[in-house]
Amino acid sequence: DADVTQTPRNRITKTGKRIMLECSQTKGHDRMYWYRQDPGLGLRLIYYSFDVKDINKGEISDGYSVSRQAQAKFSLSLESAIPNQTALYFCATSDLFANTGELFFGEGSRLTVL
Amino acid sequence: GESVGLHLPTLSVQEGDNSIINCAYSNSASDYFIWYKQESGKGPQFIIDIRSNMDKRQGQRVTVLLNKTVKHLSLQIAATQPGDSAVYFCAETLSGGYQKVTFGTGTKLQVIP
Repeated sequence: DADVTQTPRNRITKTGKRIMLECSQTKGHDRMYWYRQDPGLGLRLIYYSFDVKDINKGEISDGYSVSRQAQAKFSLSLESAIPNQTALYFCATSDLFANTGELFFGEGSRLTVL
Repeated sequence: GESVGLHLPTLSVQEGDNSIINCAYSNSASDYFIWYKQESGKGPQFIIDIRSNMDKRQGQRVTVLLNKTVKHLSLQIAATQPGDSAVYFCAETLSGGYQKVTFGTGTKLQVIP
């Protein structure tokens, strides 16, 4: 089983719908992240969380919200999806004590907003 | 603003040859530089990193070089194999309690059999 699991892997929805992407991890890491990947733009940070009580905005948080339900779970919500939120979304974790920049990514959730 | 960029979007290399993927960065305060490999349909995977107080670090078939004078980072892959075909991202992290990672746009490596 994957250490970082994202569901759903693929989702097609319509403009205005509420969408939730879920992420769970078995690595025991405190730090979790949501990134968005668009062709030619690399990965951009949406939100990050250092622990259950900590939520921080990244560089492109507008239109998104997150919930850290437990150490192992971090979900991303689009309250009212719009077409320019069509992208590949990645959840990632990192080890507080590793003192490196290594992120552990899930397999991605491809979202299409029509 | 600060940015991490790549010189080439696509690199084609003959199988068995060495590959060199280049990256420019602009934030001199970054503590770590990292290379990630992303295969089709998968999430990025960590390859190797280097601290800002080092010039070179070697892994298995990979070497990362850091030139702080010109703010340049490179990834060298020896004896490139078909399994090396992927998109490679350089990234930088800033010091402090939060490991903010800024990614470049990626270079696609195509290995020609």
